[in-house]
Amino acid sequence: DAKTTQPNSMESNEEEPVHLPCNHSTISGTDYIHWYRQLPSQGPEYVIHGLTSNVNNRMASLAIAEDRKSSTLILHRATLRDAAVYYCILRDVRRAGNQFYFGTGTSLTVIP
Amino acid sequence: ETGVTQTPRHLVMGMTNKKSLKCEQHLGHNAMYWYKQSAKKPLELMFVYNFKEQTENNSVPSRFSPECPNSSHLFLHLHTLQPEDSALYLCASSATGVADYGYTFGSGTRLTVV
Repeated sequence: DAKTTQPNSMESNEEEPVHLPCNHSTISGTDYIHWYRQLPSQGPEYVIHGLTSNVNNRMASLAIAEDRKSSTLILHRATLRDAAVYYCILRDVRRAGNQFYFGTGTSLTVIP
Repeated sequence: ETGVTQTPRHLVMGMTNKKSLKCEQHLGHNAMYWYKQSAKKPLELMFVYNFKEQTENNSVPSRFSPECPNSSHLFLHLHTLQPEDSALYLCASSATGVADYGYTFGSGTRLTVV
């Protein structure tokens, strides 16, 4: 499975935008890029996913590099509730048995 | 409430006890998963069920025994556990098919083995 690399931790001020990077230089053409986040004492929750084009939803935006070897999750205005561990995961649903395998993610601290 | 319900939320058990964790979803999903999350470690995939059939077992010790009686329910039966089995156990479900469906996770069961 293609691997992802994320910084261990990041800090952001409240109400500022946050850009969470993810490198995936060995991504294949059929790998989707998924982002999940895990709040303290909770299970992970879906944030956003995409294949080639940038994606927006009510929670965040996903910017995907043209060569697809990196992506950035953008939280437009960080709130204290956004403090969580953010996971960037690649997944090719067409490969049998290809489940979600989580790395260590980026722990985001939001400073009031 | 995420749509995936896990009970109990917290469980303390002795090493000689037998207990079961329960997971329930009514999202119409046909795949269900057990993950283990130990302190300061990434989530580890334990078992995968598709349409009630186990399709993946990631070298999990036999003291963990999963059961999937139907597509809406998943159990994890525990017996003669060790203190190092203390962790957050997470259940997830998803649809399956050619589209890339995400997972919906429950809030987990915090297990402490004493």
